[in-house]
Amino acid sequence: EVQLLESGGGLVQPGGSLRLSCVVSGFTFSRNAMSWVRQPPGKGLEWVSGIGNSDADTYYRDSVKGRFTISRDSSKNTLYLQMNSLRAEDTAIYYCAKDILWWAFDFWGQGSLVSVSS
Amino acid sequence: EVVLTQSPATLPLSPGERATLSCRASQSVSRHLAWYQQKPGQAPRLLIYDASKRATGIPARFSGSGSGTDFTLTISSLEAEDFAVYYCQQGSSWPLSFGGGTKVEIK
Repeated sequence: EVQLLESGGGLVQPGGSLRLSCVVSGFTFSRNAMSWVRQPPGKGLEWVSGIGNSDADTYYRDSVKGRFTISRDSSKNTLYLQMNSLRAEDTAIYYCAKDILWWAFDFWGQGSLVSVSS
Repeated sequence: EVVLTQSPATLPLSPGERATLSCRASQSVSRHLAWYQQKPGQAPRLLIYDASKRATGIPARFSGSGSGTDFTLTISSLEAEDFAVYYCQQGSSWPLSFGGGTKVEIK
């Protein structure tokens, strides 16, 4: 059974940092592309960042480039999102998601809430 | 960035009726288009990928069609559990993008 479990969210002040983790099981993590997708409260979905099955291939939306870093540790079956210089507009539920084909996502975590506020 | 425009924003229908949801891309995404269903408090659920392939466990009443810039999700006969928000998403170019969603609500 495929499972994804996020952790690391919380309340942080503007300019602060958080690191999200997503522990996965039930599939060969190192062979699958993965992404982070966020959803601000009451709003739609927004793709944030992705990592290919070659860890050298990483992708970001413009608004997080230079502030967020996606990475994975295949020995721990864990995907990470390091978030620095956080802004109020980064407030959202953050989901990790597994790629099935051409960056469509067949499995999602339950989400981790990040709140950026003073 | 590829902008995905979904219509209508809200679709009031009754159980048993047919639902037709539209997703239009600002430039061609070939067939790299997926559809998701999301219910309140839940993560999105993949319904369709590669424009017309049903994901594992998705009922046959859900079907997808289209290529290039125009795509359609059809629910042939609405069940009670189908009332939710539906999003399209393109995987053709960076950054990946989602449409704004269509809420299928009970009429």
